Amino acid sequence: GQQLNQSPQSMFIQEGEDVSMNCTSSSIFNTWLWYKQDPGEGPVLLIALYKAGELTSNGRLTAQFGTTRKDSFLNISASIPSDVGIYFCAGWGGSNYKLTFGKGTLLTVNP
Amino acid sequence: DSGVTQTPKHLITATGQRVTLRCSPRSGDLSVYWYQQSLDQGLQFLIQYYNGEERAKGNILERFSAQQFPDLHSELNLSSLELGDSALYFCASSVEGRVGEQYFGPGTRLTVT
Repeated sequence: GQQLNQSPQSMFIQEGEDVSMNCTSSSIFNTWLWYKQDPGEGPVLLIALYKAGELTSNGRLTAQFGTTRKDSFLNISASIPSDVGIYFCAGWGGSNYKLTFGKGTLLTVNP
Repeated sequence: DSGVTQTPKHLITATGQRVTLRCSPRSGDLSVYWYQQSLDQGLQFLIQYYNGEERAKGNILERFSAQQFPDLHSELNLSSLELGDSALYFCASSVEGRVGEQYFGPGTRLTVT
C-alpha cells in the first residue's frame, strides 16, 4: 500500500527559529496536505496543495507540493511556543478515496 | 472548533465487550471518515461513508463495522474488544470534491482493560 515517510520524527528548537520538515512517498499523490495535532485533540488542516510545484502560505507556514508529486515540504518561520504539537503530512491519490498519513513530526519549542 | 462532534469523549470497557462511537459531521458535509490513532501505528484510515453508502475501506477489522444514517451522523461499532483496540478514534468529514480537506472531531479515547 501507499506509505509516507515523514522526517524528522521530532525537533527541539528555540523560539524564533525556523523549522523545516518533509514527507516523501514511493507513489504519486494528487493532493498533499499538512495537519497539526495538539495533545488530546483532533488534527487540524493547515495547508492543502493541489498542483505539482505549488507553493502555498498560511501565515508563518509555507508548504510546497514537490515537482515529482512524490514529496512535500513544510516550513514554519519564526517559531513561537504555540507551534508545539505534532505535524502530519497526508497524501491523497485520487482513485481510492483514501487519505494516507505520515507518522508525524513532534515539534517542541523552547521559549 | 471543527464543527464535527464525537461522543463519548472517553470510554473504558473490558475485553470481549462491544461499544458504539458516534459522530456528527459538519453541517452540509456528506462524507464521514473514521480513523484509529495509536502510538505505534499512527493515524490509520478505517472506513468512509458518503451520503449513507460505504465508499472506501481501509485497515478496518472484521470485528468493526460502521454505518451512516439518513441524518448523516455515523456510528462505529467495535465488538469482541481486545486490549490492542485501545486507541483514539477520530471521525472526520469533508466537503464534496475536497476529499483531502478533512475536518476532524475531538476524538473518542477507548481504553480496553
